[in-house]
Formats: sequence, structure tokens, C-alpha cells
Amino acid sequence: QVQLQESGPGLVKPSETLSLTCTVSGGSISSYYWSWIRQPPGKGPEWIGYIFYSGSTNFNPSLKTRVTISVDTSQNQFSLKVSSVTAADTAVYYCAGLRDYYYMDVWGKGTTVTVSS
Amino acid sequence: DIQLTQSPSFLSACVGDRVTITCRASQGISSYLAWYQQKPGKAPKLLIYAASTLQSGVPSRFSGSGSGTEFTLTISSLQPEDFATYYCQQLDNFPITFGQGTRLEIK
Repeated sequence: QVQLQESGPGLVKPSETLSLTCTVSGGSISSYYWSWIRQPPGKGPEWIGYIFYSGSTNFNPSLKTRVTISVDTSQNQFSLKVSSVTAADTAVYYCAGLRDYYYMDVWGKGTTVTVSS
Repeated sequence: DIQLTQSPSFLSACVGDRVTITCRASQGISSYLAWYQQKPGKAPKLLIYAASTLQSGVPSRFSGSGSGTEFTLTISSLQPEDFATYYCQQLDNFPITFGQGTRLEIK
């Protein structure tokens, strides 16, 4: 079955760029719309955006000006960049697979990113 | 954005109880609603999609219903492993949004 694993720095300085990668294993990267979701401490999840293997994307307008999502099909990976981060971007970041716009049935374990100097 | 409001936000119940969680959408979303269970330190786990379809491997004590703007998640007989936080999620319109969560605790 498909498994996802997030990787990237756990600490980012304010005003810098947060960069995370999600590695897909056990399945085809063409099977899902690959999403990023984040969850601030004690709060509910927030969808950041998705990318399809073809490169088409869709972003949450609340973050659109600061977010880039890319895919590397040769490496079975997709990546997230969030620029100009502040403390409000501190959260657990998850990658997940969105299937057919109906549900997210595969999730990574999540990685905690703290924005602090 | 479509707002999802869950009620109650907190629920205390006993093993064996039947519990129902409600999710109301700020506008109609047909049946594009999913339910997730999240335990501390873990990723959300899909329980129900398309409002009422049970995800493979999820126990049949979980059920979902509703369409349009009002949806429910029911657990017919609570088991110890069901104590967690539950979120609804709408996928009818972008951006995809989640409810604020319902925390289910042991009484």
C-alpha cells in the first residue's frame, strides 16, 4: 500500500522559507492529488494545496501568495515551500493523498516545524 | 470558503454508549463530506467518505449520514480505542476545509 514520509528542517527562522519533501512509496505517484495539510498546536487541520503528477496545482487562497508545491516524478517525491514564515506558520505539516476529490486515505506521519529565531 | 461547524466540541461518554457528532456546512456541499479520527501525535485517519461510505477496514460501529448542509457521524457502541478527536472535512469546493473538531473523552 502507498506510504508517505515527510522530511525537512524542524526549525525555521522568521522571514525565511520553510521547505519540506514528501516521499511516496508502495504505489504510483499518478494515483492521487498530492496534498499538504498543516495543523497548528491545539487546532484543526488546514489544507494548504495539492499537486497532480502532471504538475497542475490548487492552493488555499489564504496561503497562495507564499506557497509553492512541486513534484518530481522520477524521485516519487513532491515538495512544499512556504516563504516569509512567521510564528503563525508553526505547525505539524502532513502530506496526504487526495483521491478523486472525495477523500484523503493516505497520510504521512507528520513533521513538526517551528518558526523561531 | 465553506465553514464547517461541529457539535459538540467536547463529548464525554462511556464504553458501550452510542454517540452522535454533527457537522453543519455554511452552504450545501452535496455529499462531499468525509470524517476523520485523530489520536494524539498521529495523523488523521479516514473513517467515512461521501458522507456515508465506510472506508475499508473501519469497524462497522462507525456510520455516517446526511447531505446538503447537515451531516452526522455515529458510533453505535463506543470502544476504548474510539476515544479521540473527530474532524469533518468538505471536498465540494476549494479550498478544502475542516471542522474545528470534536474531542471524545471517557467519562
